Amino acid sequence: GNSVTQMEGPVTLSEEAFLTINCTYTATGYPSLFWYVQYPGEGLQLLLKATKADDKGSNKGFEATYRKETTSFHLEKGSVQVSDSAVYFCALSDLEAQGGSEKLVFGKGTKLTVNP
Amino acid sequence: KAGVTQTPRYLIKTRGQQVTLSCSPISGHRSVSWYQQTPGQGLQFLFEYFSETQRNKGNFPGRFSGRQFSNSRSEMNVSTLELGDSALYLCASSLLAGMGKNIQYFGAGTRLSVL
Repeated sequence: GNSVTQMEGPVTLSEEAFLTINCTYTATGYPSLFWYVQYPGEGLQLLLKATKADDKGSNKGFEATYRKETTSFHLEKGSVQVSDSAVYFCALSDLEAQGGSEKLVFGKGTKLTVNP
Repeated sequence: KAGVTQTPRYLIKTRGQQVTLSCSPISGHRSVSWYQQTPGQGLQFLFEYFSETQRNKGNFPGRFSGRQFSNSRSEMNVSTLELGDSALYLCASSLLAGMGKNIQYFGAGTRLSVL
């Protein structure tokens, strides 16, 4: 079945440091790829997405590029802030279900802490 | 535009009881999905509803069930609660059906504690 593997962390950085969170996937077909962020006590917020190979998703200084050749979708940010502290989830849309349904398959999540 | 609304935010139940969680999707969204989040298993898909029909179901026992109403609001029910059912239950809604173009928008979740 389809699956997502991401570095589990935790990751601790100082403010203004460079961030990379690795994400690789296994899937049949060409799923859409997503990064979601979860702040303490909250649900998931969509951070960015990419729907086809070589697409780059970007939002709030975060970027990720859909790399079909390496089946990867690594999240990067050039200069993190304390407010970026959260748990980040990589996900793919699983298109294998019948009837047009699709579900999200998530990685385990990476907890990021940014210190001032 | 209001986001996905889940009620209640917190629930405490005892083993053997049953519980019903509610989800109101974003206006105009017809697909509603449910996920369970636990520290051990992470985020796992429960089921998806579209136009009042369950189209997809995850690998959960029959104690977990759901339904969707004509206004797209959805409920999920867990019967005969077990300690392992303690989790954050997340609801997500999306606008279109299938084809890999959907974006799922999540609610804040319902935190269920089973004692």
